[in-house]
Amino acid sequence: AQSVTQLDSQVPVFEEAPVELRCNYSSSVSVYLFWYVQYPNQGLQLLLKYLSGSTLVKGINGFEAEFNKSQTSFHLRKPSVHISDTAEYFCAVNILTGNQFYFGTGTSLTVIP
Amino acid sequence: NAGVTQTPKFQVLKTGQSMTLQCAQDMNHEYMSWYRQDPGMGLRLIHYSVGAGITDQGEVPNGYNVSRSTTEDFPLRLLSAAPSQTSVYFCASRPHRDRGFNEQFFGPGTRLTVL
Repeated sequence: AQSVTQLDSQVPVFEEAPVELRCNYSSSVSVYLFWYVQYPNQGLQLLLKYLSGSTLVKGINGFEAEFNKSQTSFHLRKPSVHISDTAEYFCAVNILTGNQFYFGTGTSLTVIP
Repeated sequence: NAGVTQTPKFQVLKTGQSMTLQCAQDMNHEYMSWYRQDPGMGLRLIHYSVGAGITDQGEVPNGYNVSRSTTEDFPLRLLSAAPSQTSVYFCASRPHRDRGFNEQFFGPGTRLTVL
């Protein structure tokens, strides 16, 4: 069975500081990996995705993530956060031969002025 | 394209009432899914469909029914609402993998309260 773990439920960080949101997954087969962002009272929108190729993936709004197969991780990073980055962030996994997406429980990022 | 649309945006029900949450997409996507979002639990899959006439259960299907008579529409029915179904419901769609794999596109959500 597949599962996704986001260890940090809440991450406060000062404006212009770097941030890392952690995501680990468990799967016995190859996967696709995603990070979604949810702004208050809105739906989810894609930040970035890893399907294959380079393990460092760049997304929108200056975010990037690195796929580490040996550690089964897909951590999200941004070198300098803005107030507008305050949101809920979800990591998701889809196995290559399956239909379902599996989501983590989310990390609430709060950027402090 | 409007993308994925959901109606209503908000709904309050009494215990035992039934209702249908509407979801439509205009991107000709084969796959459609319904999720519920609860604090601290992320998104949990209720039901999904891989094409018109084909549906399957997800992680938390009890108390919900779905049907997929057209590619565009994927309504979610609450048969007899319970307070435990108070949640935010999201509909999502994506194209078949053979058309080039893509991410899921989400609707804006429906906030449901059951009293």
